[in-house]
Amino acid sequence: EDQVTQSPEALRLQEGESSSLNCSYTVSGLRGLFWYRQDPGKGPEFLFTLYSAGEEKEKERLKATLTKKESFLHITAPKPEDSATYLCAVGSSNTGKLIFGQGTTLQVKP
Amino acid sequence: DTEVTQTPKHLVMGMTNKKSLKCEQHMGHRAMYWYKQKAKKPPELMFVYSYEKLSINESVPSRFSPECPNSSLLNLHLHALQPEDSALYLCASSRGFGDEQYFGPGTRLTVT
Repeated sequence: EDQVTQSPEALRLQEGESSSLNCSYTVSGLRGLFWYRQDPGKGPEFLFTLYSAGEEKEKERLKATLTKKESFLHITAPKPEDSATYLCAVGSSNTGKLIFGQGTTLQVKP
Repeated sequence: DTEVTQTPKHLVMGMTNKKSLKCEQHMGHRAMYWYKQKAKKPPELMFVYSYEKLSINESVPSRFSPECPNSSLLNLHLHALQPEDSALYLCASSRGFGDEQYFGPGTRLTVT
């Protein structure tokens, strides 16, 4: 069964304190792994697509990496404006659907 | 431009009302999606249109009726909803079915 698990559920950091979010997945055929950021009451904002193990993508303070079983979203020197829920999703090449994890809610305190 | 627009932003409706949600994209994407999202949960897929044809209906109750008038527009017609249908309704589009999806801002629906 296709499944995505994100950890931790919630993460509190001090401004400047780097950390990583984890996304573990099992999927019968990986079309892509996607990271989104979602602010309360708004639609998810696309961040990255990763297609194959070893791939890395960066955007400002965020860096996403992919292995055969998991992905990490590294946040370097976070700022309060990075506070949001980060969603990981895998695209199934069999069904075309996105399977979402439950999300990690990040709070960065000044 | 990676913008998906949705109207209205907020909607309050009674259980006997009929209303519609609208979604528009001008990225030339050929797949469009409706999701429902409850608080502190990930988006839940409802419908998928690919090349303007309904390709997936995730066993959604018939009180939700999707429509794709053309490749840029997607509607969701609502009728006789229940209070438990209150949620954030998200529209998304992608270049092709299974590609990275771009989401709109959502419509916050409250059923009274």
